Amino acid sequence: EPEVTQTPSHQVTQMGQEVILRCVPISNHLYFYWYRQILGQKVEFLVSFYNNEISEKSEIFDDQFSVERPDGSNFTLKIRSTKLEDSAMYFCASSPRETQYFGPGTRLLVL
Amino acid sequence: SQKIEQNSEALNIQEGKTATLTCNYTNYSPAYLQWYRQDPGRGPVFLLLIRENEKEKRKERLKVTFDTTLKQSLFHITASQPADSATYLCALEGGGNQFYFGTGTSLTVIP
Repeated sequence: EPEVTQTPSHQVTQMGQEVILRCVPISNHLYFYWYRQILGQKVEFLVSFYNNEISEKSEIFDDQFSVERPDGSNFTLKIRSTKLEDSAMYFCASSPRETQYFGPGTRLLVL
Repeated sequence: SQKIEQNSEALNIQEGKTATLTCNYTNYSPAYLQWYRQDPGRGPVFLLLIRENEKEKRKERLKVTFDTTLKQSLFHITASQPADSATYLCALEGGGNQFYFGTGTSLTVIP
């Protein structure tokens, strides 16, 4: 059964550094999402992506964040100049329409 | 934006009993509502979707109801098993392609 995959599974970075989180969505899906989940808190929507452009973004998704689909299969989330409060689990999800299929997540720790 | 409340943070029930989880929202009624399961350190897994014009949806031992007047969804697991122990999340589409998740209810099924 097809799955969403994410790399790396864990990332440790210094405050102020840039990180790129990678996702490979399920191949025939059209909608792509990034979420974050701070430890012990709820899953928070960051951004959705459809037809090669951002369709919605939350207040969290400010100029520090960007998304790309560079080659038709990968879907990346870039976080520029990371802050301590960016430490969280980041989930990618893809969807054919409504049902979302989540990846296993990348645990980001900013020191 | 939507405010979503899920009943208790933690629910303990005896194996074989029915677990009932509640999801309440405060603002506009979404076109559909979804329930997900999340195990520790893993991404949410889709369980059921119910649309605003549907009163009830079933899948094996799972049942979801949706009352747009009360702005509430109930999620039932019948004949519960220890393997059902997890956190259950409700999620609402927020217009466009944006989704809001509740904080989740942690269910423990005691053998």
